[in-house]
Amino acid sequence: DAGVIQSPRHEVTEMGQEVTLRCKPISGHNSLFWYRQTMMRGLELLIYFNNNVPIDDSGMPEDRFSAKMPNASFSTLKIQPSEPRDSAVYFCASTPDRGRSGELFFGEGSRLTVL
Amino acid sequence: RKEVEQDPGPFNVPEGATVAFNCTYSNSASQSFFWYRQDCRKEPKLLMSVYSSGNEDGRFTAQLNRASQYISLLIRDSKLSDSATYLCVVNSANFNKFYFGSGTKLNVKP
Repeated sequence: DAGVIQSPRHEVTEMGQEVTLRCKPISGHNSLFWYRQTMMRGLELLIYFNNNVPIDDSGMPEDRFSAKMPNASFSTLKIQPSEPRDSAVYFCASTPDRGRSGELFFGEGSRLTVL
Repeated sequence: RKEVEQDPGPFNVPEGATVAFNCTYSNSASQSFFWYRQDCRKEPKLLMSVYSSGNEDGRFTAQLNRASQYISLLIRDSKLSDSATYLCVVNSANFNKFYFGSGTKLNVKP
């Protein structure tokens, strides 16, 4: 079975450019999470969706960040305009039971570098 | 105050050693607790859940102390392959939010 699929795996861009990260959760999973990981701050929850509906976006750092989940098999995280401090690894994760089992299935991450 | 706090380490131990990690959490209403493992430049993966009565999975033992709000992980007979970062994870009262600690790095040396 395919796991969580993220793209791109690596992106290098210049400050001010728009960045779009993509995620395909595991089929049948009803919750999707976006995390950001840096050395300084560890793994931070940005936003999560249940049944395609955004439930909590309190972790989104500012208005430059937006996330959508138009259907059960696709989500995007967009940064516009990007800044050097956005450089991080962005993980998407999904889970089948709103997290009751405790197992989040992570994608391999999108490593973003903003110059 | 962070939801979950861990000693970042690193813990440098020889093969065969026993090593223990602790983490503390701030929300007394937290419902469930886990340890994840993250290898260098890889995604986190579930290692084991942590139950109130304590639980064991081979060389790994996890314990929860609700009164003191801390979670522990004990690794016996360390292997080189145990070298990784171990993340303490706490699930919120309504199961929807997973809070990750910053991780404890373990280096097992030959």
